[in-house]
Amino acid sequence: AQSVTQLGSHVSVSEGALVLLRCNYSSSVPPYLFWYVQYPNQGLQLLLKYTSAATLVKGINGFEAEFKKSETSFHLTKPSAHMSDAAEYFCAVTPSGGYQKVTFGIGTKLQVIP
Amino acid sequence: NAGVTQTPKFQVLKTGQSMTLQCAQDMNHEYMSWYRQDPGMGLRLIHYSVGAGITDQGEVPNGYNVSRSTTEDFPLRLLSAAPSQTSVYFCASSYRGSLTDTQYFGPGTRLTVL
Repeated sequence: AQSVTQLGSHVSVSEGALVLLRCNYSSSVPPYLFWYVQYPNQGLQLLLKYTSAATLVKGINGFEAEFKKSETSFHLTKPSAHMSDAAEYFCAVTPSGGYQKVTFGIGTKLQVIP
Repeated sequence: NAGVTQTPKFQVLKTGQSMTLQCAQDMNHEYMSWYRQDPGMGLRLIHYSVGAGITDQGEVPNGYNVSRSTTEDFPLRLLSAAPSQTSVYFCASSYRGSLTDTQYFGPGTRLTVL
């Protein structure tokens, strides 16, 4: 079975500061990993995904994430936070197969302070 | 393209009532799915479909029925609503459900069961 742990259900950063959202995974086989963003009253939107190619994955809106097998981590970063980044972010993992096997984390709400 | 649409946006039911949550997509996607989102639990898969006439259970199928008579539509039925089904429901679709396909989410239906 696979799982993800998102450290910190709420994260606050100042506008212009580094954004770091943490995700650690557990999987018995090489995983696929995802980050999704959910803006208020909207559905989830894919930010980026790792599918065993490059370990540094670049996504939309200036976000990127690095797959570190030794640390079982897939942390999401953005060099400079913008007010529009305020949202909830979900990490997700699957060992193989399709979306029916994806496990989501509980989410991290990002607050950006002016 | 409208993408993935869901109706209604909000619904309040009494215990024991039945209702159908509608989901439609206009992207000719074969794979469609239903998730529920609860605080502190991330998203959990209820049912999914890999094409018209084919459905299967996800992680939390009890209390829900689905059918897929057309490629475009994937309704979710609650036959006898219970307070435990109070949640936000998201429909999603992707080309074939493969992890190389991007999954698109609808805006959600917020359901309250009294």
